[in-house]
Amino acid sequence: QSALTQPRSVSGSPGQSVTISCTGTSSDVGGYDYVSWYQQHPGKAPKLMIFDVSKRPSGVPDRFSGSKSGNTASLTVSGLQAEDEADYYCCSYAGTYTWVFGGGTTLTVL
Amino acid sequence: EVQLLESGGGLVQPGGSLRLSCAASEFTFSNYAMSWVRQAPGKGLEWVSSISYSGGSTYYADSVKGRFTISRDNSKNTLYLQVNSLRAEDTAVYFCAKGGRVLGSGSYYGANWGQGTLVTVSS
Repeated sequence: QSALTQPRSVSGSPGQSVTISCTGTSSDVGGYDYVSWYQQHPGKAPKLMIFDVSKRPSGVPDRFSGSKSGNTASLTVSGLQAEDEADYYCCSYAGTYTWVFGGGTTLTVL
Repeated sequence: EVQLLESGGGLVQPGGSLRLSCAASEFTFSNYAMSWVRQAPGKGLEWVSSISYSGGSTYYADSVKGRFTISRDNSKNTLYLQVNSLRAEDTAVYFCAKGGRVLGSGSYYGANWGQGTLVTVSS
């Protein structure tokens, strides 16, 4: 169960869009449509932002969107706001109800 | 609103044991698979273990298999993680997470998360 690969950091100005990539293998990201994304502010619990690749839980702004192509999933945050500054983790189902996370990406709003 | 409250963490010597608990409320606990995820200080998230809604099926990360045991008591709305033979690398905040699907044999993602309990393994 090797971790998924995410960029260490991304940044953007308020109002801009940023995309965070998440690369795995055919045994996880590429093999299932069960990629989820979590937002974590310092000292806080993770919060589900996207599940099943592209679905948003109720209450999550539609500025957050997810997609997948092959072994790479992506999270796009549009119309960046100051409160979007946080760590973001991707996670993929890896078979037999096991999960694998990415290493995390720090989003900085300039 | 879903509530998950972890407890049971603390300072333990290498080789020691702890039992972590996660008290659930404001949802039908017995209908959902549950999971434990940990985060070492300054590090990323790591999936640890999951359990089906009934408790009949359990799943573990290779890093904890044979040392950790997940269980649940649906009559008490509580999830547990028994952690044995602790190592320094088990030092982390341990989060419990509710699955996203009713009557799931396991979880595909964590829909709701508790605030976590800190386990520190040190002599």
